[in-house]
Amino acid sequence: AQRVTQPEKLLSVFKGAPVELKCNYSYSGSPELFWYVQYSRQRLQLLLRHISRESIKGFTADLNKGETSFHLKKPFAQEEDSAMYYCALRTNNNDMRFGAGTRLTVKP
Amino acid sequence: DAGVTQSPTHLIKTRGQQVTLRCSPKSGHDTVSWYQQALGQGPQFIFQYYEEEERQRGNFPDRFSGHQFPNYSSELNVNALLLGDSALYLCASSLTPGELFFGEGSRLTVL
Repeated sequence: AQRVTQPEKLLSVFKGAPVELKCNYSYSGSPELFWYVQYSRQRLQLLLRHISRESIKGFTADLNKGETSFHLKKPFAQEEDSAMYYCALRTNNNDMRFGAGTRLTVKP
Repeated sequence: DAGVTQSPTHLIKTRGQQVTLRCSPKSGHDTVSWYQQALGQGPQFIFQYYEEEERQRGNFPDRFSGHQFPNYSSELNVNALLLGDSALYLCASSLTPGELFFGEGSRLTVL
């Protein structure tokens, strides 16, 4: 089955602390993975994709095929990082499978 | 560019009725996808349109149908509404596979 799992519905950290949002996937082919973010009162938007291997807003994510994971990390969380984060997998049928999301709260 | 626009933003229907939701893609985008997002869940893929044809479809019944027009705008139609169809319906347009630009959604309540 093609599935994305985000085990944490809620995650709370203090400002300046490291943050890691977990994402695991189940896919038989070669996966293409993404992180989408939704800030308060904004629309869902792309944060980063694994093939670009870039850092966006200080966030990085590494695809680990052995562990079938694509965790999102940031060394020093900021209050403006508080948002809903969704991990997504593009299948070879070109549809996107989203996880249930993790709500990150960064406390001052 | 206003980005992806959807209408209406909110609507209330009763069971058995039919609903049509509309979406205008981001300028220059030729592919439109529709998603259903239930409360507390991630978006679930309904279908995708390209060149006025349904290209891919998720696990949704035939009550869900769509259309894409020559100007790339799109409609989602749901017939014989059920209580469980209550959700936020998101439209997303794209030019590059996987890089989706979302609208703000249409919140449907079925009573």
